[in-house]
Amino acid sequence: GENVEQHPSTLSVQEGDSAVIKCTYSDSASNYFPWYKQELGKRPQLIIDIRSNVGEKKDQRIAVTLNKTAKHFSLHITETQPEDSAVYFCAASEARQLTFGSGTQLTVLP
Amino acid sequence: ETGVTQTPRHLVMGMTNKKSLKCEQHLGHNAMYWYKQSAKKPLELMFVYNFKEQTENNSVPSRFSPECPNSSHLFLHLHTLQPEDSALYLCASSPPGGSTDTQYFGPGTRLTVL
Repeated sequence: GENVEQHPSTLSVQEGDSAVIKCTYSDSASNYFPWYKQELGKRPQLIIDIRSNVGEKKDQRIAVTLNKTAKHFSLHITETQPEDSAVYFCAASEARQLTFGSGTQLTVLP
Repeated sequence: ETGVTQTPRHLVMGMTNKKSLKCEQHLGHNAMYWYKQSAKKPLELMFVYNFKEQTENNSVPSRFSPECPNSSHLFLHLHTLQPEDSALYLCASSPPGGSTDTQYFGPGTRLTVL
């Protein structure tokens, strides 16, 4: 089955700096890669996703890059704000089944 | 709010109790999922239903029993649970068509087993 590794497990950045979270996956058949943000006590919320026919996708301050050859994908957050503080999960999917990474606790320091 | 609701939001039960968790969506989605979220661990997929048919059971103990009476409702029946089953149980659903992989989560049920 699919295995997703996510790094780092914790990340602290100064407000206004950029944050990068990286994930690797094992199953070359995976073709959909979403990123979820989970604030304390709340549900995971989809923030951005990318499919395997695209190398990069951007939505305002958030971008995701995908390297299919190396089987890794990354989340980039620019101009971080305190409200970006949360746990971020990556996932890889093939045939409607998501396998999640272990999460990254991002803390944006004011 | 994503339109996926779960009840109850919090549940405390003894090891001999029987309880049920409920998930509901009125988004027109045709697949529904149960996940377990424990501290310091990735979200673990438990069950998958497509068009009310169970298509995946990820080696989940039989003390967890899912039920999907229609494409809008999903239940997780619990009996003789163990303290290590304490976790956040999340329901998700995904739409038909081109975005079938995209999953939308409910708020979860925080379960404590005493």
